[in-house]
Amino acid sequence: NAGVTQTPKFRVLKTGQSMTLLCAQDMNHEYMYWYRQDPGMGLRLIHYSVGEGTTAKGEVPDGYNVSRLKKQNFLLGLESAAPSQTSVYFCASTPQGWNTEAFFGQGTRLTVV
Amino acid sequence: QQQVKQSPQSLIVQKGGISIINCAYENTAFDYFPWYQQFPGKGPALLIAIRPDVSEKKEGRFTISFNKSAKQFSLHIMDSQPGDSATYFCAALIVNDYKLSFGAGTTVTVRA
Repeated sequence: NAGVTQTPKFRVLKTGQSMTLLCAQDMNHEYMYWYRQDPGMGLRLIHYSVGEGTTAKGEVPDGYNVSRLKKQNFLLGLESAAPSQTSVYFCASTPQGWNTEAFFGQGTRLTVV
Repeated sequence: QQQVKQSPQSLIVQKGGISIINCAYENTAFDYFPWYQQFPGKGPALLIAIRPDVSEKKEGRFTISFNKSAKQFSLHIMDSQPGDSATYFCAALIVNDYKLSFGAGTTVTVRA
């Protein structure tokens, strides 16, 4: 099915470990985003990309890095995981801005112990 | 600090009743206001959206009411059904910007 695919769906990390979350979209969308969802806080933007090779910081970028080497993929990295990064992470993509069609992945539940 | 304030945090409604979720914002530059629906274990999905030059928009049983002077907008779910049980997020955007600001979410439970 066409859409946004996130890998992995679940992960448990120890404090200080690193990992990369992969987001892949097959709709040729220009814009891609990484959000984190925490209870009572809605979704908060971590980083976003408006095209291949470009990235920018969102509301809560500290502790995360991203890369968009290929148009269809947007990677989110945690270099040294902390318990505060326990969250559900969502990737999204849009053809242009949010006032066009928007698609979210199914989320990655990350627990840092 | 959240740019969009959403209430209530949760609500329970009987089947056939009306669910009402309210949102408020401060930034008058916002010019696009979508609502997203999220089922457990899934990502959010666009439900309905409105621009500030329109006071009301209806799609099936879902209606957005928009009050530009009060900087408030709300979602009404008419004839609520158990399948509407989900978390609903309001959001706001400056169309030429890339950052969609979400409310905290409202969990709606529809009792049969």
